[in-house]
Amino acid sequence: DIQMTQSPASLSASLGETVTIECLASEDIYDILAWYQQKPGKSPQLLIYDASSLHTGVPSRFSGSGSGTQYSLKINSLQPEDFASYYCQNGLSAPLTFGSGTKLEIK
Amino acid sequence: QVQLKESGPGLVQPSQTLSLTCTVSGFSLTSYSVHWVRQHSGKSLEWMGRMWSDGDTSYNSAFTSRLSISRDTSKSQVFLKMNSLQTEDTGTYYCARRGNGSLFDYWGQGVMVTVSS
Repeated sequence: DIQMTQSPASLSASLGETVTIECLASEDIYDILAWYQQKPGKSPQLLIYDASSLHTGVPSRFSGSGSGTQYSLKINSLQPEDFASYYCQNGLSAPLTFGSGTKLEIK
Repeated sequence: QVQLKESGPGLVQPSQTLSLTCTVSGFSLTSYSVHWVRQHSGKSLEWMGRMWSDGDTSYNSAFTSRLSISRDTSKSQVFLKMNSLQTEDTGTYYCARRGNGSLFDYWGQGVMVTVSS
C-alpha cells in the first residue's frame, strides 16, 4: 500500500497569511493526487486534483504543486472560511490512501 | 445536479452486520465509480472500497473478507455490507463519486454509525 505522510498535523496562522501543507508519498504516484478541505460536521470537498488542477469553483488562492513523491498545497491570503482540516489522497492505486490531515486554526 | 446520499442504521450491535445504501442522482452508475470512505471521529479518512462503472468491485485489504459492495443500477443505489462489526467500526461512512479526470468530486453527507450493545 502507498503511505501518505502529511505535515504538519496542525498549523496556526493569521488572516491574510500564506500557508503550505506537505504530503509525501511512499512511492511515485505520478501526480495522481488530490487535496480536500473538510469543515467540522461536513463531508470533504475537493480542492485540487492531479496535483495542481483546481477543481471547479475553488478560489484561486488555493494551489497545488509537486511531482513524484512530494506534493504541497498552498493557500494564499487566508480567509476566515479557510480554517478547516485538509487531507491529501493517493489516487494512483488502491487502496486510495489519505494523509493523516492538517488542522488549520486561526492564530 | 449530482447528489449522493447515504442511509442506514445509526446503531449496530457488536458482531452484527452493517448495511448502508448510497442513493445517487444526477449521474449514472454505469458511467462513474462510487467509493465508500470511513472516518473515525476526529481522525483521518479511510478508503474502504469501490464499485466500478462496469459493475466490478475492489476492496481495501484492511477489511479482509468482511466487506461487500454491490449495486442496483435501476434504483441508482450502491450498497455496503460489512459483517462482524466491532466498536472500532464506529464512525462516519461516506460514499463519493470519482469524477472523470479527477478524484472524489462529489460526496454524500455521511451517515454516522455507532457500534455498541
